Amino acid sequence: QQQVKQSPQSLIVQKGGISIINCAYENTAFDYFPWYQQFPGKGPALLIAIRPDVSEKKEGRFTISFNKSAKQFSLHIMDSQPGDSATYFCAASIGTSGSRLTFGEGTQLTVNP
Amino acid sequence: KAGVTQTPRYLIKTRGQQVTLSCSPISGHRSVSWYQQTPGQGLQFLFEYFSETQRNKGNFPGRFSGRQFSNSRSEMNVSTLELGDSALYLCASRLGQGPYEQYFGPGTRLTVT
Repeated sequence: QQQVKQSPQSLIVQKGGISIINCAYENTAFDYFPWYQQFPGKGPALLIAIRPDVSEKKEGRFTISFNKSAKQFSLHIMDSQPGDSATYFCAASIGTSGSRLTFGEGTQLTVNP
Repeated sequence: KAGVTQTPRYLIKTRGQQVTLSCSPISGHRSVSWYQQTPGQGLQFLFEYFSETQRNKGNFPGRFSGRQFSNSRSEMNVSTLELGDSALYLCASRLGQGPYEQYFGPGTRLTVT
């Protein structure tokens, strides 16, 4: 019930294309859904986050789409660039606890020039 | 503002030894969480500290412990190290309890031989 399932495990996209990463969860108590980007040798960096009172949030080239009824959320990276090549993690947490993030398995994104 | 800092960055220990890792949160942040990252298990929550008190704990054995000091700096300790404890240990800080974003440090790479 605490798991977050992420797919695909790896993704190869051409420069300028759209990268789409999907996550699904079971625990309906989750109400905070952040995405993190991690480069080799670095810690995860917060990219964008959403709460279930909205269905979409956009920040620059990054968009989160959220489907509460399906218990799914996804990250869309528009106009993907080689510099976006990294591992992306979705996560979820409950209420005001906020801290205990449950992470997806990660998606290794490669953007070819 | 300086980010989350972790020391040491790399550590090699022998099975059976103990180790202490240190984390300094972002200035003004009072909550510190610890995560373990391994290729097999992904990112897993260890524990969270706020106001020098453990507020939340993940599913790890008692060999994993932590503490927080009055200046919000935190340490985690692993006793009787096992080969499976080899991992990247990440510290994350946030402003306090409540719906605040977590910001991760670069991690400490622990290798147990």
